[in-house]
Amino acid sequence: DTGVSQDPRHKITKRGQNVTFRCDPISEHNRLYWYRQTLGQGPEFLTYFQNEAQLEKSRLLSDRFSAERPKGSFSTLEIQRTEQGDSAMYLCASKSTGGNTIYFGEGSWLTVV
Amino acid sequence: TQLLEQSPQFLSIQEGENLTVYCNSSSVFSSLQWYRQEPGEGPVLLVTVVTGGEVKKLKRLTFQFGDARKDSSLHITAAQPGDTGLYLCAGARDTNAGKSTFGDGTTLTVKP
Repeated sequence: DTGVSQDPRHKITKRGQNVTFRCDPISEHNRLYWYRQTLGQGPEFLTYFQNEAQLEKSRLLSDRFSAERPKGSFSTLEIQRTEQGDSAMYLCASKSTGGNTIYFGEGSWLTVV
Repeated sequence: TQLLEQSPQFLSIQEGENLTVYCNSSSVFSSLQWYRQEPGEGPVLLVTVVTGGEVKKLKRLTFQFGDARKDSSLHITAAQPGDTGLYLCAGARDTNAGKSTFGDGTTLTVKP
């Protein structure tokens, strides 16, 4: 399968702990996106990268959130000092620069207890 | 502010019926996508439309992009239980950036 892959698929953590999610985009795609989705809502944009450069961050991305794409391939999203409100599905997506369409991974579910 | 309004929010129909769901906005989009999402999974792309007035067909699904590129509809003919899922529309205002704004979706249930 050469689609977008995310790891882990599910994570349960205690409030205050740090968590990290990984995303491997489609190999020829240089754009990578992170979205967050809560129950009953559509995905909300968090941030995106063009190769290794982080080009835009949503105001939803508080200081506790950090995303990296050090070599322009895979990306990580770290959440520090998790709060119950962080519980959501974190979706990664990728796109080629000239294309119209972004392709999503299967998501990483986070539950903060 | 929700830029994309989807309606209806929930729809429950019998197998074999036809249905239409809508995606409306006051903003113009350079492209619009429709996705289907199953519980616990990521959205799966169904179609991308880019030209005002464009109509695309995917088997029993017909997608239309409004002339002004502000709205879209998805029509399903002879719905089947396998069509059950959350249908999301997403619009991009800057194709180069590719960042999309999503609606909150229409949850479709097709009963056998």
